[in-house]
Amino acid sequence: NAGVTQTPKFQVLKTGQSMTLQCAQDMNHEYMSWYRQDPGMGLRLIHYSVGAGITDQGEVPNGYNVSRSTTEDFPLRLLSAAPSQTSVYFCASSHGTGHNSPLHFGNGTRLTVT
Amino acid sequence: GESVGLHLPTLSVQEGDNSIINCAYSNSASDYFIWYKQESGKGPQFIIDIRSNMDKRQGQRVTVLLNKTVKHLSLQIAATQPGDSAVYFCAENIRQAGTALIFGKGTTLSVSS
Repeated sequence: NAGVTQTPKFQVLKTGQSMTLQCAQDMNHEYMSWYRQDPGMGLRLIHYSVGAGITDQGEVPNGYNVSRSTTEDFPLRLLSAAPSQTSVYFCASSHGTGHNSPLHFGNGTRLTVT
Repeated sequence: GESVGLHLPTLSVQEGDNSIINCAYSNSASDYFIWYKQESGKGPQFIIDIRSNMDKRQGQRVTVLLNKTVKHLSLQIAATQPGDSAVYFCAENIRQAGTALIFGKGTTLSVSS
């Protein structure tokens, strides 16, 4: 049981380039989400999904796209990277809502946009 | 918008002391709160949670207290150990979806021997 797996661990992009951050979980969790973490800040919600085929926007969705074609995978796409998107990105999943459904996080992707 | 915040960005304690990390929230509609621990280079790790219909919940060496009157959440760590050194975040659930959590900015706990 690997939990939440994120790839790559590190990435450097040039402004305007596109890329996809991968996230996979093997816990059969319905709920998945993406957060970004910047120095001195908490985690800010980008997008989330309550199940396959369903996605919704979080606090800071601009510049990012997501899709949820399977229960296991929830990729995050940067269509045209900007320096403001330099951050650490965390993917998380949970079994359900409410009590006894805390998020399980991956170990992050550290992205630098030059 | 409404957000969850922490009172102090850093807290330094001696090994064996009890630690108290505080968090203030502003969304009175939030019904679920979670504390996470984040070690350097890793993702946040679940510590303990509490629903809004409870005032207190205890785990192993940790206790979470919720005061809805003043919208205050605290995490108490008993007999703090060097391995407890990390950044601690509180988070609140703002919607029905369990993954739609809003996080505070975090408190860095440093434990010295």
